[in-house]
Amino acid sequence: KQEVTQIPAALSVPEGENLVLNCSFTDSAIYNLQWFRQDPGKGLTSLLLIQSSQREQTSGRLNASLDKSSGRSTLYIAASQPGDSATYLCAVSTGTASKLTFGTGTRLQVTL
Amino acid sequence: DAGVIQSPRHEVTEMGQEVTLRCKPISGHDYLFWYRQTMMRGLELLIYFNNNVPIDDSGMPEDRFSAKMPNASFSTLKIQPSEPRDSAVYFCASSPTNPTGQGLYYEQYFGPGTRLTVT
Repeated sequence: KQEVTQIPAALSVPEGENLVLNCSFTDSAIYNLQWFRQDPGKGLTSLLLIQSSQREQTSGRLNASLDKSSGRSTLYIAASQPGDSATYLCAVSTGTASKLTFGTGTRLQVTL
Repeated sequence: DAGVIQSPRHEVTEMGQEVTLRCKPISGHDYLFWYRQTMMRGLELLIYFNNNVPIDDSGMPEDRFSAKMPNASFSTLKIQPSEPRDSAVYFCASSPTNPTGQGLYYEQYFGPGTRLTVT
């Protein structure tokens, strides 16, 4: 059974810092990995999707990498801003390409 | 497009009552997913549909839960009878199919969720 772990569970950083969020998964036979953002009381917003054949994806200040063989992914956020404060979730699809297993999330707070 | 639409946004009901949650996926998406989020268990996939057909319902906790998708633009998740432990946020998500048909797929787009409280 696929298990997804995210470290740290919570993180507080001052504005402007670069930061890395970590995601690890136990079954490396994945179709893809997706990073989401969730704001309090809201749904999930997809940030980046990495197919299993890819090593990384970039969108603006966000960069996600994937090392499938070691079962790890990182989300790098450059020059953090207070608006980046949210919970970040990673999810992997295994078994069938449509079935996602989510991590427990990292709650990020960016302070002024 | 308005995105994935869910209703109601909040539902408070008494134990034993029937609860029906509704979802309208993004037009043109042929996958629809129902998830449940709790503090204890995080986000869990309950069931998903492809072209209105249920593909995998292994995440449905028990027979009290049922889901239907009568057409491409509407799905329901029903709990009958409801219990306090069903209290959670229920999300619906939709996704298009990768046109290459290689078993890959595009991002899932989530609705705002329905916060269910069973007293």
